[in-house]
Amino acid sequence: DTAVSQTPKYLVTQMGNDKSIKCEQNLGHDTMYWYKQDSKKFLKIMFSYNNKELIINETVPNRFSPKSPDKAHLNLHINSLELGDSAVYFCASSYGPGLQYFGPGTRLTVL
Amino acid sequence: QQQVKQSPQSLIVQKGGIPIINCAYENTAFDYFPWYQQFPGKGPALLIAIRPDVSEKKEGRFTISFNKSAKQFSLHIMDSQPGDSATYFCAAKGTSGSRLTFGEGTQLTVNP
Repeated sequence: DTAVSQTPKYLVTQMGNDKSIKCEQNLGHDTMYWYKQDSKKFLKIMFSYNNKELIINETVPNRFSPKSPDKAHLNLHINSLELGDSAVYFCASSYGPGLQYFGPGTRLTVL
Repeated sequence: QQQVKQSPQSLIVQKGGIPIINCAYENTAFDYFPWYQQFPGKGPALLIAIRPDVSEKKEGRFTISFNKSAKQFSLHIMDSQPGDSATYFCAAKGTSGSRLTFGEGTQLTVNP
């Protein structure tokens, strides 16, 4: 059983479009995250939710909006996609002050 | 503001060699130091972690050495294998919450 799953795995879209990435975890964790990994492999935290409440909101364009319908799900919606948004986006989850478990990633390509 | 510096950026060793990846941190309010391993096309996966009250931790062929006074920690891979070829990230967790600050990553290649 997959602990942290993301859909889709690949997303290819045109500039200006709006897209969403979904994340689900079945670990019973309280906290979920979104990370962006650029072409140089650097992992940059974007957002974190704890029990559906936003607790980390890094300097990210407001075209990115996370939504957590319940503590097992954290989705990422991106408006007006730009070329620079092309990256791999990872969802992760953790329990309390514990370690983070990452999903398989969504590779977003903006043409 | 980069609070965890990782080196080298890339590393190539022969099978059986002992690659060493180093990290240094600035913020003393870190209380947990995990290492993550990432294979191409996969998400980072927890490899091994250490708390600052311990100077060394071994799990199989992987060892973390921790120097609290120098604010440095390192990963050693004993008897490295081609299957260890991956990107390795060190990280540090703050004393409140579960937020991780990651190093820049090290791409390790183990040649047969």
